[in-house]
Amino acid sequence: DAGVIQSPRHEVTEMGQEVTLRCKPISGHDYLFWYRQTMMRGLELLIYFNNNVPIDDSGMPEDRFSAKMPNASFSTLKIQPSEPRDSAVYFCASSSRTSGGNEQFFGPGTRLTVL
Amino acid sequence: DQQVKQNSPSLSVQEGRISILNCDYTNSMFDYFLWYKKYPAEGPTFLISISSIKDKNEDGRFTVFLNKSAKHLSLHIVPSQPGDSAVYFCAASEGDDKIIFGKGTRLHILP
Repeated sequence: DAGVIQSPRHEVTEMGQEVTLRCKPISGHDYLFWYRQTMMRGLELLIYFNNNVPIDDSGMPEDRFSAKMPNASFSTLKIQPSEPRDSAVYFCASSSRTSGGNEQFFGPGTRLTVL
Repeated sequence: DQQVKQNSPSLSVQEGRISILNCDYTNSMFDYFLWYKKYPAEGPTFLISISSIKDKNEDGRFTVFLNKSAKHLSLHIVPSQPGDSAVYFCAASEGDDKIIFGKGTRLHILP
């Protein structure tokens, strides 16, 4: 069975360009999370959804960042315009309350480099 | 303001010995704690968890201990194996759906 799928795995772009990261959660999971990992700040939660509805976006750094979940099997994280300080690894994770506990299943991440 | 703190960025342990990774937290409302393991170029994977109503949970070579009064938890790996070399994240939640991660500890298992 497929785990969480993220694309692209690597993205290199120039400052000012729009970047879109994509995520497909595990089928049947009703929670989806977007994280950013940097050396300085570790693993930060940016936003999470429950049943496709954004629940908490307090971790989104600024208005340049936006996330959508149009259906249960797809989510995007968009950065427009991108800046060099956005360079990081972005993870998507999904979970299901019905499975018990708070265990989240992570995708392999997208390594973003903004030049 | 970090709610989950892993004060040791890295730890080196001889193969076959015990690895002890520590984690402190500040939020007394946290009621569920987790450890995740991460290899390079992969996402974190769930390792073991513990509810605040317990003080110990064991799964094979991995044991997590919780000391609520000290707001401290630890992960013990016995015996340590080369494949245990990874970054370990401590995480906590307070009953809602999100979890807060520490910055991680890089564990090196020496041959």
